[in-house]
Amino acid sequence: QSALTQPASVSGSPGQSITISCTGTSSDVGGSNYVSWYQQHPGKAPKLMIYDVSNRPSGVSNRFSGSKSGNTASLTISGLQAEDEGDYYCSSYTGGSTLFGGGTKLTVL
Amino acid sequence: EVQLVESGGGLVKPGGSLRLSCAASGFTFSSYSMNWVRQAPGKGLEWVSSISSTSSYIYYADSVKGRFTISRDNAKNSLYLQMNSLRAEDTAVYYCARDSSNWYGIFDYWGQGTLVTVSS
Repeated sequence: QSALTQPASVSGSPGQSITISCTGTSSDVGGSNYVSWYQQHPGKAPKLMIYDVSNRPSGVSNRFSGSKSGNTASLTISGLQAEDEGDYYCSSYTGGSTLFGGGTKLTVL
Repeated sequence: EVQLVESGGGLVKPGGSLRLSCAASGFTFSSYSMNWVRQAPGKGLEWVSSISSTSSYIYYADSVKGRFTISRDNAKNSLYLQMNSLRAEDTAVYYCARDSSNWYGIFDYWGQGTLVTVSS
C-alpha cells in the first residue's frame, strides 16, 4: 500500500491557525475511524496528538484538533506557538496494518 | 511511568541478521498489542509489524514479510524483532510502540529508537 498523502510543508506565524491534510482512499482513511496524528521533533520519538480522528490524549493542548471528510483527514493547530514547529504524521489503521502519511514539516515563522 | 527501551541495533552487512529487543516497564505488558515502526534517515515513519497481546495475531509490512519475525515474551515484558536477509533499504531507526487501543494502530508510547545500519 502507498503512504497517505500529506503536504511536504506548511508554515504559519505565531498566533495563526494552520491545517495539515492527509489524503488516502476508501480502504484506509475513508473507511476507518482509527486515524491518528503524531508530532515529531528532531531526534525525538513521535508523540501521539490525535486519535480516533478527533480525540486528544490527556495532556495534549486543545489547540490541536482533528477532523475527517471522505478520504481526507485534517489536523488543525490554532494559536500557533514556536514549540509546535516540527514534523507531523497522520496514520490510519487498515485491517491488520497501519499506514502512515509521508509527513509534513511545520515551520513557525 | 511507562517506559519502552530498545536495544540491539548496530552495523550489519547486507544479507546479515540482527535481533532487536524492547524492554517494557510501567504498565501491564501482557495486556497490550505492540508494534515496530521504523524511520529511514531523513524520511518518514513506516509501520513494520504488529503482534497481539497473546501473540495470536501477527502482521507484517510487505517490505519485510518473509525476512522479519516479531515475537514477545510476556513473562519478561519484552518485545523482539528478528531481522534476517537485511538490505540497505532496511537502514533506519527502529521504534517499538505500544498500541493503546490494543489493535487499531493508536501508538501512545514510543521508545527512543535503536539505529540499524546495513552497509558493507
